[in-house]
Amino acid sequence: DSGVTQTPKHLITATGQRVTLRCSPRSGDLSVYWYQQSLDQGLQFLIQYYNGEERAKGNILERFSAQQFPDLHSELNLSSLELGDSALYFCASSPLGGPQETQYFGPGTRLLVL
Amino acid sequence: GENVEQHPSTLSVQEGDSAVIKCTYSDSASNYFPWYKQELGKRPQLIIDIRSNVGEKKDQRIAVTLNKTAKHFSLHITETQPEDSAVYFCAASIPTDKLIFGTGTRLQVFP
Repeated sequence: DSGVTQTPKHLITATGQRVTLRCSPRSGDLSVYWYQQSLDQGLQFLIQYYNGEERAKGNILERFSAQQFPDLHSELNLSSLELGDSALYFCASSPLGGPQETQYFGPGTRLLVL
Repeated sequence: GENVEQHPSTLSVQEGDSAVIKCTYSDSASNYFPWYKQELGKRPQLIIDIRSNVGEKKDQRIAVTLNKTAKHFSLHITETQPEDSAVYFCAASIPTDKLIFGTGTRLQVFP
């Protein structure tokens, strides 16, 4: 158990809908990262937050948005969902958000868009 | 920006044999190279990492080597066991930018 929690574990929804994925980082970690992993694919970096502020952006679609709240939990919002958005979404956290820190991954949220 | 290539994409070995996974990176300023293991349906977990001030690091049956001149680093697993079967991701970062992951290697260890 990494100490990073994600909810829900599974999510099934329809095309065009909007969903929110939630992540709580390890106690004491200030930075949160979001990754998308499609079937048999690598880890695609979406976005990083540090202490409430966006720090780095990856290949995140305009239909996706995220935020980190004062209590440091983070939410990833996916809207106008398409079939291709079906994937495993991981959240990770690290103490200070430095690129050379170990990232601790949560168990992931499996999203299925029908 | 940084680009990380990983080979092979799949690797099958007999239990007890060694497995080697190689990664190359593009940015010569990269100085941190972690390896993550992801078992089926599970989260990625750090198994070993190396920084550019060392050429090799070992932890029991796992070792990582770094060749800064050639800009490549490798994961070596000796005496493989069925529980080593997983997807392995390499990654690299420069001090001022985000960690970049390779595309993963699916390792299968047959009894």
